[in-house]
Order: sequence, then C-alpha cells, then structure tokens
Amino acid sequence: DAGVIQSPRHEVTEMGQEVTLRCKPISGHDYLFWYRQTMMRGLELLIYFNNNVPIDDSGMPEDRFSAKMPNASFSTLKIQPSEPRDSAVYFCASSTRQGAGEQYFGPGTRLTVT
Amino acid sequence: RKEVEQDPGPFNVPEGATVAFNCTYSNSASQSFFWYRQDCRKEPKLLMSVYSSGNEDGRFTAQLNRASQYISLLIRDSKLSDSATYLCVVNPMDSSYKLIFGSGTRLLVRP
Repeated sequence: DAGVIQSPRHEVTEMGQEVTLRCKPISGHDYLFWYRQTMMRGLELLIYFNNNVPIDDSGMPEDRFSAKMPNASFSTLKIQPSEPRDSAVYFCASSTRQGAGEQYFGPGTRLTVT
Repeated sequence: RKEVEQDPGPFNVPEGATVAFNCTYSNSASQSFFWYRQDCRKEPKLLMSVYSSGNEDGRFTAQLNRASQYISLLIRDSKLSDSATYLCVVNPMDSSYKLIFGSGTRLLVRP
C-alpha cells in the first residue's frame, strides 16, 4: 500500500512568489496533518483536518498561509506571498481515528525561498 | 516554557552501550505519549507508544512518570542503525488528535 505522497519534494522560489504544496494521504485515513520543521523551532503542527474539515488551524503562522482539503485523497498548503523565513521542510501526515498517536508522515517538501 | 522539552544531545555512544533519554512535558492533563524516530533528512516514524505501566519492545524500553511529568526511553545493546534523532511526543488532551513534538535528542552510535 502506498504511503503518504507529497509533491514536490524540493521547491526553490523567489520571495513574493506563490507556493503550493500537495499531499495525498493514505487511503482510509480520516485525519490529515500539515507540519513545518526547522532547526530553530523543530516540528510544528500548522493545521489538521478530519473528514476533509479543518479542525485546528491555530498553528498557521499568518494569513499568507492557507490549506484546503477538497476531498479525502488530496490536500494543499499554499503560501502567498512567500518569504525567506518560510524556508523549511513541510510534512504532511495522516492517521486513522483509532490510531490517533500513530501518524504516518510523507517524505516532506523541502522549501527554499530566496 | 516549551510544552515538550528534550536534551538535544548529541549522545555519542559505542556499539553495545545502553543509553537513556528523558523528556519532560508541561501539561499535567496530557493523556498519551509516544516516541518517534527521525533519520537524517527523512520523515518521523512512530517507534513506540508509552504506557503508564512502562513497556518494552525488544531492546527499547519506555517509561512514564506522571507525577514528575517525564518520559524516558532506554536503548540497550545499541546498534549502528540506532543512530537517529528521537522525538518525544505528547497528546495534550484526550479529545484532540493533536500531537506536540519535542525538538528531539540526537543519538550517534559509533563502531
């Protein structure tokens, strides 16, 4: 069975550009999480969805960040406009209701904003 | 104060050594606890859950001390392949699926 799929794996963009990160969760998982990881701040939860509905977006840093989940098999995280301080690895993870503590992470998108 | 705190290390140990990591959490109402492992430039993966009575999985033993709000992970007979960052993870409340990750403790096992 395929794991969590993220694209692109690497993204280099200039400040001010729009960035869209994509995630396909594991089939049958009804929770989807977006995280950001940096050396300074570690792994931070940005937002999570249950059955495609955003439940907690308190970790979204500011209005430049938005996330959507139009269906059970696809989610996007958009940054517009991007800034150099957004440079990080962005992970998507999914889990089932029964296995709340076991989140399956995708390989991440390494974003560099110059 | 961070919600989950860990010594960043690195812990540099020889093969075969026993090594222990501790982690403290600030929310006394926290319900569930886990250890995740993250290899360099890879995604985190669940290593084991931590139960109140303590639990063991092969060479790995996890313990929870609710009174002192700390969690430990003991690795016996370290292998080179154990080299990784170990993340202490807390679910702050039973009604949420949110996990709070510590910054991780880096382990280097040398030949």
